[in-house]
Amino acid sequence: GENVEQHPSTLSVQEGDSAVIKCTYSDSASNYFPWYKQELGKRPQLIIDIRSNVGEKKDQRIAVTLNKTAKHFSLHITETQPEDSAVYFCAASKASGTYKYIFGTGTRLKVLA
Amino acid sequence: NAGVTQTPKFRILKIGQSMTLQCTQDMNHNYMYWYRQDPGMGLKLIYYSVGAGITDKGEVPNGYNVSRSTTEDFPLRLELAAPSQTSVYFCATSGGVYEQYFGPGTRLTVT
Repeated sequence: GENVEQHPSTLSVQEGDSAVIKCTYSDSASNYFPWYKQELGKRPQLIIDIRSNVGEKKDQRIAVTLNKTAKHFSLHITETQPEDSAVYFCAASKASGTYKYIFGTGTRLKVLA
Repeated sequence: NAGVTQTPKFRILKIGQSMTLQCTQDMNHNYMYWYRQDPGMGLKLIYYSVGAGITDKGEVPNGYNVSRSTTEDFPLRLELAAPSQTSVYFCATSGGVYEQYFGPGTRLTVT
């Protein structure tokens, strides 16, 4: 069945360093790839997304890249700060007209001060 | 605008009891979803709806039921609660193919 693999499951970086989280999807018809940030005890919130007709998107310290041929996409966070510590989820849309996502299993990012 | 609201915030159920988790949105979105999130895990789709009167199963529908009589409300019903249903439940809405907006969640413990 369709799935999204996300790596790594945990990631620790020093404050100021960059963090990269990678996801691979299986459904070649997927056309929308959001990234959600979830702080402890809170709801997931969208931080950046990319559509299949774009290869890269940037928003201040956060960027997402998409390689449709290889069916993978990545989240890049530069100049990490302690408030970036959270669980990050990638997702891929199911192109079935019902606007469903398949979520990755999450990456727990810890930024060490 | 309240966005997406869920009640209750927390609930403890005994095995075999039933309950309804409420989800209400004021965003006029057609698409609504119920997810469960087990500790340290990702989000699994339970049920979804593409509009009032239309619902369908997601990845993990067993033990749950839903209804969608209005655009605003999408309640999730648990019948005969089991310990395996201990989880955090999130309702989400979407206006279409892009962003899903999540409610604050309901933390359910079945003992």
